[in-house]
Amino acid sequence: EAGVTQFPSHSVIEKGQTVTLRCDPISGHDNLYWYRRVMGKEIKFLLHFVKESKQDESGMPNNRFLAERTGGTYSTLKVQPAELEDSGVYFCASSQDRRKNSGANVLTFGAGSRLTVL
Amino acid sequence: QKEVEQNSGPLSVPEGAIASLNCTYSDRGSQSFFWYRQYSGKSPELIMSIYSNGDKEDGRFTAQLNKASQYVSLLIRDSQPSDSATYLCAVYTGRRALTFGSGTRLQVQP
Repeated sequence: EAGVTQFPSHSVIEKGQTVTLRCDPISGHDNLYWYRRVMGKEIKFLLHFVKESKQDESGMPNNRFLAERTGGTYSTLKVQPAELEDSGVYFCASSQDRRKNSGANVLTFGAGSRLTVL
Repeated sequence: QKEVEQNSGPLSVPEGAIASLNCTYSDRGSQSFFWYRQYSGKSPELIMSIYSNGDKEDGRFTAQLNKASQYVSLLIRDSQPSDSATYLCAVYTGRRALTFGSGTRLQVQP
């Protein structure tokens, strides 16, 4: 079974530019999450999709961040325009339907996309 | 107060010793607790989950949960150099996605 795949693995852009990160979850996983880790800090929740719907986007830092999951398969996270403080590692994770998984939320993570904004 | 607190370390133990990693959480309604291991530059990898008070053992790993004290720990017996990594405590409250601590860096000295 393929795991969670993220692309690109590393992106270096200048302040003001746009970057789009992509995540392909494990096939059949309805839940898709975006997290971010800024250097030296904890992994912070950004948002949660259930299929194509945004279940919780309370962690999105501001309106420069836009996440989509068209068709309930892969997801993209766009940062436009990028700022220096957006640098970090963006992790995507997926999990099965919670109703099928008692105890909830066993997440499988991708390898992350490292974003460097200069 | 952070929702999930961990000592950042590094925690250094000799090979073969027991490594003890600790985590406290603030939300009394938390339901599920997880330990992830993350090697440098890699994705977090689930190693243990625990849902009820007490101990749960899986090979060299034992997770301990005390909901009254809002405390969860991970013991690694017979520590190996390959166990050197950052260990992330994660808590699920039932209201939103997993909340992570900042992680404890473990160094196992050969």
